[in-house]
Amino acid sequence: TQLLEQSPQFLSIQEGENLTVYCNSSSVFSSLQWYRQEPGEGPVLLVTVVTGGEVKKLKRLTFQFGDARKDSSLHITAAQPGDTGLYLCAGGGTGFQKLVFGTGTRLLVSP
Amino acid sequence: SQTIHQWPATLVQPVGSPLSLECTVEGTSNPNLYWYRQAAGRGLQLLFYSVGIGQISSEVPQNLSASRPQDRQFILSSKKLLLSDSGFYLCAWSDLNTEAFFGQGTRLTVV
Repeated sequence: TQLLEQSPQFLSIQEGENLTVYCNSSSVFSSLQWYRQEPGEGPVLLVTVVTGGEVKKLKRLTFQFGDARKDSSLHITAAQPGDTGLYLCAGGGTGFQKLVFGTGTRLLVSP
Repeated sequence: SQTIHQWPATLVQPVGSPLSLECTVEGTSNPNLYWYRQAAGRGLQLLFYSVGIGQISSEVPQNLSASRPQDRQFILSSKKLLLSDSGFYLCAWSDLNTEAFFGQGTRLTVV
């Protein structure tokens, strides 16, 4: 069974601070996605990474896929209250395999 | 462009009553379809997935069932709801497992 563990589970920080969220697995994934979910809504895709070692930037968010394609990180620079939400990573396989979602990281950024 | 519709947004049902949640996708053909349940503030638990019409795979034993009567329609059902069926239900579709697109979710409260 493929599992994706995220850490930390919960993070409460002040506006302007930096943070990193981790997504780890013992399994190899052909792609990995990060989603953000706000209360009462479905998750929204932020980014997809497919190559080991790949780094993608989305404004203040930096995503990295591990060299072995077993882990990923999300770094937020100068966090803002609008970054508050539940962050989920998800791993995809080749052929038909169901997406595997991580355990989630709840981020609270206070002004 | 592809869109996914899920309804209703909220539902309050008595214990022992039936359930039917519907999800439809537009703008794509033969999508992989998923039903997830999410505990408050946590990750997603995959309930069912489908690779085609009439093809349903169940991930966990439970009081729920799913059906796919048409290519872009996915239905989550129960004959008799339990209190433990309360939760936030999300429908999603994906293409080749590279990323998932979610509906807005249904908040089900069983009373």
